[in-house]
Amino acid sequence: DTGVSQDPRHKITKRGQNVTFRCDPISEHNRLYWYRQTLGQGPEFLTYFQNEAQLEKSRLLSDRFSAERPKGSFSTLEIQRTEQGDSAMYLCASSPDTGNTEAFFGQGTRLTVV
Amino acid sequence: EDQVTQSPEALRLQEGESSSLNCSYTVSGLRGLFWYRQDPGKGPEFLFTLYSAGEEKEKERLKATLTKKESFLHITAPKPEDSATYLCAVTLLTGRRALTFGSGTRLQVQP
Repeated sequence: DTGVSQDPRHKITKRGQNVTFRCDPISEHNRLYWYRQTLGQGPEFLTYFQNEAQLEKSRLLSDRFSAERPKGSFSTLEIQRTEQGDSAMYLCASSPDTGNTEAFFGQGTRLTVV
Repeated sequence: EDQVTQSPEALRLQEGESSSLNCSYTVSGLRGLFWYRQDPGKGPEFLFTLYSAGEEKEKERLKATLTKKESFLHITAPKPEDSATYLCAVTLLTGRRALTFGSGTRLQVQP
């Protein structure tokens, strides 16, 4: 396992369409995070899983966004009825469930809504 | 409200010209402060974690320090390959386990 893997790397979609992104964390990591990053800004927290349980969601995560982590392994982030404001880089990160340790990021999925 | 502020927003250096990046934080209780490097179109790459005031960490040309209000990332004799955006982030003693990031400093090192 070489790190956090995200798929696809790039996605272009028309406004109003639904999109789904996948994240495969580092295999022994129990914690998984989703962030969103727009140009010139730092990543903003969206949601956090410990194993299969979604323990926290940001106010940024509107009801059009849903995330799952079945069986505590890979995770998916779905955006329904996409809007142009959803265009951003979506980053996934994982970390071990042992105290305060660093999170390791994937390469991200760049979403463009046209 | 918990805040992380980085300065400057952008920095241009000549190769070999040392400098420092600043990360100031206002949080209810600091658990850890993290530095990441991000290249264009890629995810952040972990550099350092600092936990308590006075702590220092070094890696090649980079050295991170922490006080009760801010952290510095010192870059000694930078090379063009050090050009990237450097992100600072914090985690809190209570509440959210996720990272709260600053907006980053875009560093360009010219040969």
